[in-house]
Amino acid sequence: ETGVTQTPRHLVMGMTNKKSLKCEQHLGHNAMYWYKQSAKKPLELMFVYNFKEQTENNSVPSRFSPECPNSSHLFLHLHTLQPEDSALYLCASSQPWDRGQVEQYFGPGTRLTVT
Amino acid sequence: EDKVVQSPLSLVVHEGDTVTLNCSYEVTNFRSLLWYKQEKKAPTFLFMLTSSGIEKKSGRLSSILDKKELFSILNITATQTGDSAIYLCAVFPRTGAGKSTFGDGTTLTVKP
Repeated sequence: ETGVTQTPRHLVMGMTNKKSLKCEQHLGHNAMYWYKQSAKKPLELMFVYNFKEQTENNSVPSRFSPECPNSSHLFLHLHTLQPEDSALYLCASSQPWDRGQVEQYFGPGTRLTVT
Repeated sequence: EDKVVQSPLSLVVHEGDTVTLNCSYEVTNFRSLLWYKQEKKAPTFLFMLTSSGIEKKSGRLSSILDKKELFSILNITATQTGDSAIYLCAVFPRTGAGKSTFGDGTTLTVKP
């Protein structure tokens, strides 16, 4: 257990569905991240929140919509996804970026399948 | 564009062997290099390196960074089957909150 939890662990959704992924961290961190891990590809950073403010959006399609209501919770809202969006979605947290301690602690991930 | 290249992509060894995994990088305004171990699920943090020439150790694992030649190595001595995993290298630049670049990973298989 790393102190970062994600729900659900597995999700199968149709292309017209709307669903949300949830991440919660109990480490007192103030930076949270969404990553996408596809088969045979490196981890791709999607979004970064630092003190609840979005600081990075790596050209992610608008069908992915993040939300960070507080420093402990991070959501990824999904709608009208494509089959190529099927992947493992990982949440991570760390100390704030400007403190230099960038060790990230990852949650177990949500395995998403889009049919 | 920032780039991280890990080698080899995969490696098969027997228990007791020593392995060296490589990570080379090109990144604008380097801040830190991190190593992770990923088994079946999420990556777990191993080391963070920011200064050249200072070895970090944790049990049978050790790592060192060369900021002049832009690479890092991860050594595992006396390998065990439990070391079988994907080892990921990631580089963080100084600018941009949390913008990291990950390598493809090295898949290590340790046979009994």
